[in-house]
Amino acid sequence: DADVTQTPRNRITKTGKRIMLECSQTKGHDRMYWYRQDPGLGLRLIYYSFDVKDINKGEISDGYSVSRQAQAKFSLSLESAIPNQTALYFCATSDSTASSSYEQYFGPGTRLTVT
Amino acid sequence: DQQVKQNSPSLSVQEGRISILNCDYTNSMFDYFLWYKKYPAEGPTFLISISSIKDKNEDGRFTVFLNKSAKHLSLHIVPSQPGDSAVYFCAASALGTSGSRLTFGEGTQLTVNP
Repeated sequence: DADVTQTPRNRITKTGKRIMLECSQTKGHDRMYWYRQDPGLGLRLIYYSFDVKDINKGEISDGYSVSRQAQAKFSLSLESAIPNQTALYFCATSDSTASSSYEQYFGPGTRLTVT
Repeated sequence: DQQVKQNSPSLSVQEGRISILNCDYTNSMFDYFLWYKKYPAEGPTFLISISSIKDKNEDGRFTVFLNKSAKHLSLHIVPSQPGDSAVYFCAASALGTSGSRLTFGEGTQLTVNP
């Protein structure tokens, strides 16, 4: 079983709809992240969380919100989706106590299309 | 403002030859660098990293070189294999963040031809 799972894997939605992407991990890591990938732009950080009570904005948080429901679950919401939020979204985790705390472990991604 | 840049969108090499992927950065506060590999329909996976106190790190066929004065790092793959065909991202972490925020480059598509 995958250590970091994302649901759904693919989603097509219409402009103005609310949508939630979910991420779960079984790695026992304390830190979780949401990124989006756009062609030619690499991965950009949307939000990150150090623990259930610690949520931080990344470089492109406008139009997004997150919820850390438990140490193992971190969801990303688009309150009112717009076409330029069409992208590949990745969840990632890391362990702040590990010697290799810099390493982040990624889920398989969610391809979101907003029409 | 792209603080981490991979200027080559693609690279094609023959099996058995060396692949060299390059990455430049502008932020002097970056002190730790990582390379990730990404196959289609999968998330990125960690490949190799280097701290700014070193100029070289090796792991099997993969070696990362860091030139701090030039703000440049490179990933060498020797010998290249068809299974190495993937998108490679370099990433950087700033001093004091302990890897909590990684800044990624645009990625380079490596194709290794049999």
